[in-house]
Amino acid sequence: AQSVTQPDIHITVSEGASLELRCNYSYGATPYLFWYVQSPGQGLQLLLKYFSGDTLVQGIKGFEAEFKRSQSSFNLRKPSVHWSDAAEYFCAVGAGGYNKLIFGAGTRLAVHP
Amino acid sequence: NAGVTQTPKFQVLKTGQSMTLQCAQDMNHEYMSWYRQDPGMGLRLIHYSVGAGITDQGEVPNGYNVSRSTTEDFPLRLLSAAPSQTSVYFCASTPTTGAKTQYFGPGTRLLVL
Repeated sequence: AQSVTQPDIHITVSEGASLELRCNYSYGATPYLFWYVQSPGQGLQLLLKYFSGDTLVQGIKGFEAEFKRSQSSFNLRKPSVHWSDAAEYFCAVGAGGYNKLIFGAGTRLAVHP
Repeated sequence: NAGVTQTPKFQVLKTGQSMTLQCAQDMNHEYMSWYRQDPGMGLRLIHYSVGAGITDQGEVPNGYNVSRSTTEDFPLRLLSAAPSQTSVYFCASTPTTGAKTQYFGPGTRLLVL
């Protein structure tokens, strides 16, 4: 069965530090992969996506993610975190289509000044 | 474009009551989906539609009904609300061409007493 695992429920980093959020997926075919961000009380905003091609994907707000098929991973990175990046981050895989997403449980990011 | 809109923003129901969560999009997207978000579980797909007159079940369909009479609207009905349906509900739409990405509405927070 398809699934997405985000091993870190909560992460705290200092402003200006680098960030890596982990995501592992289980899916038989070539996956569609997504990262979304949700600020408190808000909807979901797409950060980036991977469908095919270059395995290093650039997104908005300075985020990037790397698809590693051998590790079934799609980790999200940012070289220097800003206080405004504090939010909850969700990794998702398109299960049988990009309109049917399976989400991970999310990682809540806190940023210390 | 208004994008994906949802009403109401917040609703309190008593057990056994019925209600309809409204979702509309003005982007002429064929695909629409309903998710529920619960703490520690990410988002889970309830029902989805690939076009007017076509709907199908997602991961957690029990207790919910949907219909799709027009491309724009995709209402979610709770026939007899239960406390287990207390959640935040997100509607999403996806185009069939171009950037195959789900666009999410702002959500409806539902409390069932």
